[in-house]
Amino acid sequence: SQQGEEDPQALSIQEGENATMNCSYKTSINNLQWYRQNSGRGLVHLILIRSNEREKHSGRLRVTLDTSKKSSSLLITASRAADTASYFCATDVLNNRKLIWGLGTSLAVNP
Amino acid sequence: SQTIHQWPATLVQPVGSPLSLECTVEGTSNPNLYWYRQAAGRGLQLLFYSVGIGQISSEVPQNLSASRPQDRQFILSSKKLLLSDSGFYLCAWSVGGINYGYTFGSGTRLTVV
Repeated sequence: SQQGEEDPQALSIQEGENATMNCSYKTSINNLQWYRQNSGRGLVHLILIRSNEREKHSGRLRVTLDTSKKSSSLLITASRAADTASYFCATDVLNNRKLIWGLGTSLAVNP
Repeated sequence: SQTIHQWPATLVQPVGSPLSLECTVEGTSNPNLYWYRQAAGRGLQLLFYSVGIGQISSEVPQNLSASRPQDRQFILSSKKLLLSDSGFYLCAWSVGGINYGYTFGSGTRLTVV
């Protein structure tokens, strides 16, 4: 069953702008992860934030986690055309060996 | 370093034919292994996962099966493909634990005709 829901489903921005994607989930988690998928390719792990963390940075990526609202956001700053991809959130649910995936946000960065 | 190999990249198979997709992992021992299917424009559907040799958990009843004959080898099979088996199949591994993400293979685009 789907747990994560990304919002928006699709996002189109200009190069240099920031892109923000959101993810909501339903049950308690160990961690939440963000992945990128270029068209026709496998997924690439971007960042993992544990349930006791509130914010994490990796290069131009900033992830926040609000466990009280069961939501997370992924911010990509100063976007580039190469950031064009689908972005998925996945939750590592307590007492579960599997990730639960959202349906993804399709990001288009226009040059 | 750890790598994951998945092949073939694309496959066109007739309805009723068998299927065998292979995934191998290098550079790690006793990984958790996963097979996912992704329909066009959709999220990932977990098909099978394995925490050890010969240990397979099936997530959905379907026309597919999985096997793990060696620690770092995971095989997805079907005896008779259906049109509905078309999709993008992804293999992934993880070390387990709450601090690590998954590493995905490059995927196999299967078209059943």
